Amino acid sequence: GAGVSQSPRYKVAKRGQDVALRCDPISGHVSLFWYQQALGQGPEFLTYFQNEAQLDKSGLPSDRFFAERPEGSVSTLKIQRTQQEDSAVYLCASSLREGFGTGANVLTFGAGSRLTVL
Amino acid sequence: QQPVQSPQAVILREGEDAVINCSSSKALYSVHWYRQKHGEAPVFLMILLKGGEQKGHEKISASFNEKKQQSSLYLTASQLSYSGTYFCGPNFGNEKLTFGTGTRLTIIP
Repeated sequence: GAGVSQSPRYKVAKRGQDVALRCDPISGHVSLFWYQQALGQGPEFLTYFQNEAQLDKSGLPSDRFFAERPEGSVSTLKIQRTQQEDSAVYLCASSLREGFGTGANVLTFGAGSRLTVL
Repeated sequence: QQPVQSPQAVILREGEDAVINCSSSKALYSVHWYRQKHGEAPVFLMILLKGGEQKGHEKISASFNEKKQQSSLYLTASQLSYSGTYFCGPNFGNEKLTFGTGTRLTIIP
């Protein structure tokens, strides 16, 4: 597609519910990232995929957070038993991965999924 | 570990210049700069690589001091469209970016 697409754009969940957030990256982009952005803060890294392999999940805040990218394209971030502190915008970004490890890969972000946990 | 940006916020009149600084406690491999408007996705502006290579925006320039672990973004003759929150995103030699605390820029006519 033309850009990174995320759905839903807005999600309201009751505390304890499970949620699933979807990311459709730019076609052909090898790398996919999930970031969490709290109100007034910078995006914080959650996890990273290269194709279908999850290479870094060091930013996931707890075992209630789970991400997958089974076919190396669409990714889903799942949050189980949501808590109020999970309220944030969840941003997905993808990149071509032109230069592994050089830090030169430009990220294209989606508009985000805003999660509100009541 | 999160890079520190300064100033936290700045208000400028259209046509004025601004400098946004980003400082890291860890050695930098590269620095990315992004701008985010309210309710929108962060948008890529500029990347500075070790060795001085730069890719980015024609009306915005930046510097990268590897020794001091700092980067600065220079906005000249600011336009109303420059308003937004600016984030630096250093890379420490792996694939991910660690975003800074953000600088909120407001341009008034």
